Amino acid sequence: QKEVEQNSGPLSVPEGAIASLNCTYSDRGSQSFFWYRQYSGKSPELIMFIYSNGDKEDGRFTAQLNKASQYVSLLIRDSQPSDSATYLCAVNPKTSYDKVIFGPGTSLSVIP
Amino acid sequence: GAVVSQHPSWVICKSGTSVKIECRSLDFQATTMFWYRQFPKQSLMLMATSNEGSKATYEQGVEKDKFLINHASLTLSTLTVTSAHPEDSSFYICSAREGHTQNNEQFFGPGTRLTVL
Repeated sequence: QKEVEQNSGPLSVPEGAIASLNCTYSDRGSQSFFWYRQYSGKSPELIMFIYSNGDKEDGRFTAQLNKASQYVSLLIRDSQPSDSATYLCAVNPKTSYDKVIFGPGTSLSVIP
Repeated sequence: GAVVSQHPSWVICKSGTSVKIECRSLDFQATTMFWYRQFPKQSLMLMATSNEGSKATYEQGVEKDKFLINHASLTLSTLTVTSAHPEDSSFYICSAREGHTQNNEQFFGPGTRLTVL
């Protein structure tokens, strides 16, 4: 089992819709969870981090964490074409505080 | 704040030569820096973790004699790809972390695209 898994996509949503991105992880003791956005040819940029169960909202973005289910998601409301990118889930495992493990990423395409 | 720069942004070299990539934290002191490699349409793969003043910790399968990492100061880490070959062509990205923050957030540099002919 891979440490961090995501659906590779591509996920296509119409402009203005809600995009839902999912991520599961294998280390039950993982501490912190991150969502990064990566445009083609660019390095990742941090969108949100979450470390407590529940929801965390920041503008159009909401991260949801369920440690019992080992599941973290990212919701993007009112999706815009500029949101089209690859979204990387990253997890800070208990086994190694220093580093984060990245998932394979989900490609999102927002159709105008 | 929390800006990380990389230099060069791209480099083309001949097979067998060595290439040095610099990673700098511009407005904070980075106790830990990370080096990643990303092949087309793949995710980031951690190559090594470096702490200022100590030897880097390499991930399994990464040759430490080929990918030399130096973290001589709290704002600078370098990655040297020695005797580069075409299969080393990739997007190399560094990240930096300030101290031991609660959320363990990493700030990424813009990346260096290496092409080995």
